[in-house]
Amino acid sequence: DAGVTQSPTHLIKTRGQQVTLRCSPKSGHDTVSWYQQALGQGPQFIFQYYEEEERQRGNFPDRFSGHQFPNYSSELNVNALLLGDSALYLCASSTPGLDNTGELFFGEGSRLTVL
Amino acid sequence: DQQVKQNSPSLSVQEGRISILNCDYTNSMFDYFLWYKKYPAEGPTFLISISSIKDKNEDGRFTVFLNKSAKHLSLHIVPSQPGDSAVYFCAASGWGIYNQGGKLIFGQGTELSVKP
Repeated sequence: DAGVTQSPTHLIKTRGQQVTLRCSPKSGHDTVSWYQQALGQGPQFIFQYYEEEERQRGNFPDRFSGHQFPNYSSELNVNALLLGDSALYLCASSTPGLDNTGELFFGEGSRLTVL
Repeated sequence: DQQVKQNSPSLSVQEGRISILNCDYTNSMFDYFLWYKKYPAEGPTFLISISSIKDKNEDGRFTVFLNKSAKHLSLHIVPSQPGDSAVYFCAASGWGIYNQGGKLIFGQGTELSVKP
């Protein structure tokens, strides 16, 4: 049973460029969330997708956008990259339900470096 | 505004002893708390959770205690093992048992080192 997979694992971009990160959720999961983890910090919630719609959003500018596909996979897009966007981007999947405890399954992350 | 705080960036304990990791929160609307463990080059993995209607939850060597009046929770690991060495994140959510998952507020993490 494949867990959450993310690609690419590492990438380097320059300021002003755009980046797309990809995520496939754990089998059976239909909700995908994205988190940004800066060095020495805990993950910060970016947004959540369910049924191909953005359902919740954290305190991130509009430069951060996303998409969920019918197969539940998801993309995170960041435009006009800034040096401060350098971070580990984590994708997490889950499934809604009455017994959902908020337990998320995380991928290994995509390490973005902006020069 | 740091709603979930882990004030100890690191902790070092001897193998076999107890490890106690602490976490404080400010938002009284949080009603579900979780601990995640993260090894280098891996994503965080769920460890244990507790609902605000409880004050203790145990799972093997791991116990989480919740003090709602103090807005404080702690993770106890007994006995500590070298394989427990990792970064531990405390997280909170405010949607209770009907949470669809996804919006967790994380602390900054505590790096635990268990010495043989």
